[in-house]
Amino acid sequence: GAGVSQSPSNKVTEKGKDVELRCDPISGHTALYWYRQSLGQGLEFLIYFQGNSAPDKSGLPSDRFSAERTGGSVSTLTIQRTQQEDSAVYLCASSLTVSGANVLTFGAGSRLTVL
Amino acid sequence: AQSVTQLDSHVSVSEGTPVLLRCNYSSSYSPSLFWYVQHPNKGLQLLLKYTSAATLVKGINGFEAEFKKSETSFHLTKPSAHMSDAAEYFCVVSKGGATNKLIFGTGTLLAVQP
Repeated sequence: GAGVSQSPSNKVTEKGKDVELRCDPISGHTALYWYRQSLGQGLEFLIYFQGNSAPDKSGLPSDRFSAERTGGSVSTLTIQRTQQEDSAVYLCASSLTVSGANVLTFGAGSRLTVL
Repeated sequence: AQSVTQLDSHVSVSEGTPVLLRCNYSSSYSPSLFWYVQHPNKGLQLLLKYTSAATLVKGINGFEAEFKKSETSFHLTKPSAHMSDAAEYFCVVSKGGATNKLIFGTGTLLAVQP
């Protein structure tokens, strides 16, 4: 597609429920990144994919968080047994490759609210 | 390790006056540096990037930034602020290597007064 698409744009869930957030990157972009933006924490790196593999998962906050990417395209970030501190905007970005000079294009984000 | 420090969390200017958003970086090698802007309820948009070519980088919407190695700074400027410039601005350094992982500053919220 023309840009990075994320869905849902807004999600309200109850504590303890599982949620899935979806990212559809720009066609042809091999690298895909997940970031989290929360009040007082700024933007935190979560995980990135090169193709379907995830060489760096160092930012995932706990084992409740997982992500996968299939077909070198769509990625899903799953949060199990959500907690209130998971409330944030989850941003996805893609780039042509993982070269340091490549620009990341961001989606509009998925706003998660855990009650 | 790479990091960026945005020196001001909030900046307020009057429309038509210059904008200066300050950023200092820390990097063990020549970094790739970026400025991104985030308007309310919108995604992050790239303003400009520095990747070891010209030290004065021009971006979109009249913004520019100068890479100063001696000062480890990458301040963002614009000669004349417009109301539409009101947004949050992030200074960003690329971790480089094989990941292109971006390290974000904490952001500067720019307010433009009429």
